[in-house]
Amino acid sequence: NAGVMQNPRHLVRRRGQEARLRCSPMKGHSHVYWYRQLPEEGLKFMVYLQKENIIDESGMPKERFSAEFPKEGPSILRIQQVVRGDSAAYFCASSIEGAGTGELFFGEGSRLTVL
Amino acid sequence: AQSVAQPEDQVNVAEGNPLTVKCTYSVSGNPYLFWYVQYPNRGLQFLLKYITGDNLVKGSYGFEAEFNKSQTSFHLKKPSALVSDSALYFCAVRGYTGANNLFFGTGTRLTVIP
Repeated sequence: NAGVMQNPRHLVRRRGQEARLRCSPMKGHSHVYWYRQLPEEGLKFMVYLQKENIIDESGMPKERFSAEFPKEGPSILRIQQVVRGDSAAYFCASSIEGAGTGELFFGEGSRLTVL
Repeated sequence: AQSVAQPEDQVNVAEGNPLTVKCTYSVSGNPYLFWYVQYPNRGLQFLLKYITGDNLVKGSYGFEAEFNKSQTSFHLKKPSALVSDSALYFCAVRGYTGANNLFFGTGTRLTVIP
């Protein structure tokens, strides 16, 4: 059973470009979470999704960031018009029963560098 | 608001000695608490959780954590540290009552010295 798959593992963008990060949850998992890890900081919750629904986006910046988890295919975190401050590691996690009582399974992250 | 605090950015311990990584929490309602570990350039891995029941929770790789309600703490412990335990450790708490997202502390870097 493959784990949480994230791609690309490394992404370089110039300021103003768009970044798309993809996450395929573990088989049978319908809960997906995105976290951002900045250098020397902890993980910051961004968004929690279930299939076709955004459940909690309280950690998402109000502009330029969006996330989706379509009925078919991976979850996508999209960052428009990237700025240098967006450089970070973005982690996706999935769970079978929700994070409250179950454990999260994390991918290995997508490291975004904005030049 | 739900939050956790990890007061130590760095903990150093000699191999074979007991280790403790500290975590305190602030929640409304019953706390659901978790510990995760992150090895270099990898995602986080679940270690253990406290939902209810015994205050001493046992987890992976010989780790355990003690829930202390009066001190609002959930410290991670191991009786005998290994060099391979060197990693970044995160304490986490569930969001608002009934939520399904976790909020993580800032992490503690554990270094086990041979």
